[in-house]
Amino acid sequence: SQTIHQWPATLVQPVGSPLSLECTVEGTSNPNLYWYRQAAGRGLQLLFYSVGIGQISSEVPQNLSASRPQDRQFILSSKKLLLSDSGFYLCAWSRLARGDTQYFGPGTRLTVL
Amino acid sequence: GQQLNQSPQSMFIQEGEDVSMNCTSSSIFNTWLWYKQDPGEGPVLLIALYKAGELTSNGRLTAQFGITRKDSFLNISASIPSDVGIYFCAGQERDNFNKFYFGSGTKLNVKP
Repeated sequence: SQTIHQWPATLVQPVGSPLSLECTVEGTSNPNLYWYRQAAGRGLQLLFYSVGIGQISSEVPQNLSASRPQDRQFILSSKKLLLSDSGFYLCAWSRLARGDTQYFGPGTRLTVL
Repeated sequence: GQQLNQSPQSMFIQEGEDVSMNCTSSSIFNTWLWYKQDPGEGPVLLIALYKAGELTSNGRLTAQFGITRKDSFLNISASIPSDVGIYFCAGQERDNFNKFYFGSGTKLNVKP
């Protein structure tokens, strides 16, 4: 069966510091990978998605970037965090197929102070 | 871009009552998904729908893929306190299956 991991689970960072969040998927190959951000009590905002190694699509211009160095690894980064980057970051995967489902990781709670 | 309208935004119900929430899209969807999210956790898939008119159950939950392919609903029967959470609809457009679009969520509160 497939499993998706995210780390760290929680993170508190000062404004202006760098960020690296990691997501890995087990039990499948060539997945589509996604990064979402969720503000408190709000819906999901798609940040980036990737259909393959080195292929990144950005949905929202912002202070963040994403990379996919390996087939089942997806990284969310920032060179300098802003207060507005605080939120709950969710990684998800799906198969590249019509009529498929999307599965989420446990999330990372980021607080920027 | 694609907008999913999910309603209601929140519900306060008594334990044992039935619940209904729905989602509409501005374009034809290939897939409709329903998730539940508990505080501090990732959304968990409840039901997936792949065909227009499809009606699928998962325990006390029932969801349907609308005939027009632009809407879906989720019903919860005989609600219990552990049903509390935020429910999200999501889907894939017919012509773009790389992306999933999400509703803004329905926050469900159940009074024991």
